[in-house]
Parts: sequence; structure tokens; C-alpha cells
Amino acid sequence: KAGVTQTPRYLIKTRGQQVTLSCSPISGHRSVSWYQQTPGQGLQFLFEYFSETQRNKGNFPGRFSGRQFSNSRSEMNVSTLELGDSALYLCASSFRGREYNEQFFGPGTRLTVL
Amino acid sequence: SQQGEEDPQALSIQEGENATMNCSYKTSINNLQWYRQNSGRGLVHLILIRSNEREKHSGRLRVTLDTSKKSSSLLITASRAADTASYFCATDALETSGSRLTFGEGTQLTVNP
Repeated sequence: KAGVTQTPRYLIKTRGQQVTLSCSPISGHRSVSWYQQTPGQGLQFLFEYFSETQRNKGNFPGRFSGRQFSNSRSEMNVSTLELGDSALYLCASSFRGREYNEQFFGPGTRLTVL
Repeated sequence: SQQGEEDPQALSIQEGENATMNCSYKTSINNLQWYRQNSGRGLVHLILIRSNEREKHSGRLRVTLDTSKKSSSLLITASRAADTASYFCATDALETSGSRLTFGEGTQLTVNP
């Protein structure tokens, strides 16, 4: 099976812009989660989608949003970018996201905000 | 904020030696997972241990879980230079529905050839 894929792999934006990141889960996986990794805050949970519904949400401002499509692919959007949004954004998929909660991560999207 | 704390923050050993990393957490959990990350890349899933398990093995990896102490350890035996990476523990809290992993701060392991 193909692994989790994320596009783009690298992105450079300026403050105030918005950005959309994409994640394709492993085939058959219905849960997709997003995480932000920074040197200062480490790995932090953004949100999780399951069957096109947001099931969990982390403590991030409303500028961070996401969605999931019927084929389980997910996108996350960050509006009005700030310098502090520079991070590695990781997407993870799992079969159903609970008891079978092995999560498989993609390679990440490295976002740099100038 | 990170629920987990990992200890040590950095570990440097010689090839062939064993490496032990520890993780502590604060809430009741459904399971605990260990991941490896090579230099700013994605996370590689290593092993999952459920809250009702005490020990689990996978190849050169041995994980223990002590829910009474809210702690876990990861042992890598006969380490290799290729094991050089950051290792993270992640917990899935009992009261959470769905997926929501809380990560520790990680241990940077360096295996010298």
C-alpha cells in the first residue's frame, strides 16, 4: 500500500497570505489528523477528521481550518499567515482512529512564512 | 503544551550498545505509541502498546508500560548508526474520542559508529 502523501513538500509564503496543504491517507483509512511541529512547541495536535466530520480539535486559533473529502483526502488551510506559523505540518492517517489507533504519518509540508 | 516528558533529552552511545529512553505522561491513556523521526522528516511508527499491556517486543525494540507510574520506556538493543534519530512517545488519552495524540518532547539519540 502507498503511504500517506502530503503536498506540497515545501512552501514559502509571506505574512498575511493564506495557504492550503493537502494530505492523502493510506487507502482504506478514514481518520486523518494534522499536527504542527515547531522547535519551540514541539508536536501539537491541530485537528482530526473522520468520515468528513471534524471529530477533535486542538488549541489553535480559527485561522487554522481543515476539511475532509468523501475519498478521505484532507486539506488544511491557514489564513492570514503569521511568522509563528512557520513549521513542519504533518498529516497522519489511521483506519478508524480509536482502538486501532496506529497512526501513520506523511513526510510533512515545511511551511516558511517570511 | 506537551503532556509527556522524555528523558533523557539527548543520548549518545556507541554502535552495538543498548539505548533506553523514558517517557512520562499525566492522564489516563488508551494506548501509548513510540515514533522515530529523522532530521525534520515525517514520523515513523515504531510500536503501540495498549493500556492493559505491560511489555511488547518488535525486533530490536522493547517497550514497557507502567500505568501506575504513568511511564513507559523504549529499549533499542544492539544499536546501529542508522538508529540515529529523535524518538517520541505519544499518548492517546482515555477520555478522548477518536484520534488525538499528545507527544512528548523527544529524545535525540546519536549512535556513533
